[in-house]
Amino acid sequence: EPEVTQTPSHQVTQMGQEVILRCVPISNHLYFYWYRQILGQKVEFLVSFYNNEISEKSEIFDDQFSVERPDGSNFTLKIRSTKLEDSAMYFCASSLSDGKNIQYFGAGTRLSVL
Amino acid sequence: GEDVEQSLFLSVREGDSSVINCTYTDSSSTYLYWYKQEPGAGLQLLTYIFSNMDMKQDQRLTVLLNKKDKHLSLRIADTQTGDSAIYFCAESMRGGSYIPTFGRGTSLIVHP
Repeated sequence: EPEVTQTPSHQVTQMGQEVILRCVPISNHLYFYWYRQILGQKVEFLVSFYNNEISEKSEIFDDQFSVERPDGSNFTLKIRSTKLEDSAMYFCASSLSDGKNIQYFGAGTRLSVL
Repeated sequence: GEDVEQSLFLSVREGDSSVINCTYTDSSSTYLYWYKQEPGAGLQLLTYIFSNMDMKQDQRLTVLLNKKDKHLSLRIADTQTGDSAIYFCAESMRGGSYIPTFGRGTSLIVHP
């Protein structure tokens, strides 16, 4: 069964460093998403991406964040200058454009900012 | 804004039925979902229900929707230890943003 894959599974970084989280969505999906889940809190939407541009973003997705689809398979989330409060589990998801918006999630990348 | 609430923990004995409850605030919700998250894994879509349905059954899973009370439940029959996980309720709205709003998740603990 096709799945969304994310790498790395755990990323440790120093405050102020840049990190790039990587995702390979399901190959025939057209919509891509990033979510985060701070420990013990709700899964929060960050950004959605369609047709090579951001289609929607939340208040959390400020200028420190950016997304890119550098080639036909990868979808990345970059955090320019990490803060302690960026420590969270980051989930990538993808979906078809079939109107049901059934999103398939990756296993997540745990980001620890020290 | 939309909000989705769930109780945080549920403990059941193996073989019993589990019922996980969820309430939501947005009456425009069109799709309601249940996701399962096992330790170290991502969110796995278990089932979803469209808002014009009251019930959906899929093997051991039964989803009940009470639109009047904005209440969604997931019943797992004959609960097994492999069902131990966090279960997330989510809702999204057609005609607006399809982005699902998630609850905090209910940790289901199944003990022998």
